[in-house]
Amino acid sequence: EAEVAQSPRYKITEKSQAVAFWCDPISGHATLYWYRQILGQGPELLVQFQDESVVDDSQLPKDRFSAERLKGVDSTLKIQPAELGDSAMYLCASRLEIYNEQFFGPGTRLTVL
Amino acid sequence: RKEVEQDPGPFNVPEGATVAFNCTYSNSASQSFFWYRQDCRKEPKLLMSVYSSGNEDGRFTAQLNRASQYISLLIRDSKLSDSATYLCVVNDMRFGAGTRLTVKP
Repeated sequence: EAEVAQSPRYKITEKSQAVAFWCDPISGHATLYWYRQILGQGPELLVQFQDESVVDDSQLPKDRFSAERLKGVDSTLKIQPAELGDSAMYLCASRLEIYNEQFFGPGTRLTVL
Repeated sequence: RKEVEQDPGPFNVPEGATVAFNCTYSNSASQSFFWYRQDCRKEPKLLMSVYSSGNEDGRFTAQLNRASQYISLLIRDSKLSDSATYLCVVNDMRFGAGTRLTVKP
């Protein structure tokens, strides 16, 4: 069964350092999402891509976060510099069409010290 | 008002109980709705899609009420393995905060 791949699974970094997360969606899924989930809360949408274009990044803290999906396939989410409050699970999801469900990757758990 | 709101929970129920969760949404133009299940420290996984006519999958029943802008999830004959957080999602992929369910022996 096709899956969304994410790496790394765990990342520990110090504040002010740069971190990057990678996501490879299910083949053929044009829509890709990055979410941040703080323990005890629901996933918060950070950015949505349709192919290589950003559809929604209204909740992305653009002063420190950036996301790209250059060839419309895999994607990278970067944080620079990391802050203590960025500690969370970062989830990537992909979707075939607008009325279909999303499929999630296993997430990257970030701890900022 | 948040785009998607869920019952705060937590719900603690005995095995065999019936439990229901509601989720309200603010965008009346929303077209698709889903319930996801999330186990502790795992990614969300699709539980059910919610159709206009409602749908049932074994012990789980999902309903949509467009007039009042809410969806519901009913779990009958609860099992210990149903213990998880249940998240509702509307088509623009906005998640609710989730409702924590614990089923006890």
